[in-house]
Amino acid sequence: GAGVSQTPSNKVTEKGKYVELRCDPISGHTALYWYRQSLGQGPEFLIYFQGTGAADDSGLPNDRFFAVRPEGSVSTLKIQRTERGDSAVYLCASSPTYTNNEQFFGPGTRLTVL
Amino acid sequence: SQQGEEDPQALSIQEGENATMNCSYKTSINNLQWYRQNSGRGLVHLILIRSNEREKHSGRLRVTLDTSKKSSSLLITASRAADTASYFCATAAAGNKLTFGGGTRVLVKP
Repeated sequence: GAGVSQTPSNKVTEKGKYVELRCDPISGHTALYWYRQSLGQGPEFLIYFQGTGAADDSGLPNDRFFAVRPEGSVSTLKIQRTERGDSAVYLCASSPTYTNNEQFFGPGTRLTVL
Repeated sequence: SQQGEEDPQALSIQEGENATMNCSYKTSINNLQWYRQNSGRGLVHLILIRSNEREKHSGRLRVTLDTSKKSSSLLITASRAADTASYFCATAAAGNKLTFGGGTRVLVKP
């Protein structure tokens, strides 16, 4: 079956612009996670959804970052007024439930803020 | 912040040799997972070990967990060039929110 997909694969934007990153989880997976990975480091948790609601958004760095999952499937990570420090690979993952499960990762979106 | 710390940060071995990497963490966990990443993009799940387990095997992989020392190790036996990648440990506390370490970059030379 299809894995987790993310679009776009690469996004280049200018400082101050707004961007949206999309994640399509594996069909039937109720839990969806967003992580951010800077060069040479491990992924850092941003937010996770159980169904439609954001169950834990403690990793979002500030109020410029927002994520939605209105129908409990596709999720969009939104970044307002982008800054150069937002440049990173944004990874999405899904799992069948939010308990003791492996997570299935997408290929990521590489965001570059000029 | 990253909870897990991998050791070594980089490892270079010959094909056929074993590769061992370690992970330490700071807080209580429900499970610990190991992932592999090629070319800085998507991560592939390798193995999950629960807090009440001490050792787990999957093919050429062997993972140990010592909760008293808050540490885990990943052993890859009979390494292949295709094992060249970065390896990350990730801990899950309540629920399944993962906290990753900084990773070990493994180079397997043919």
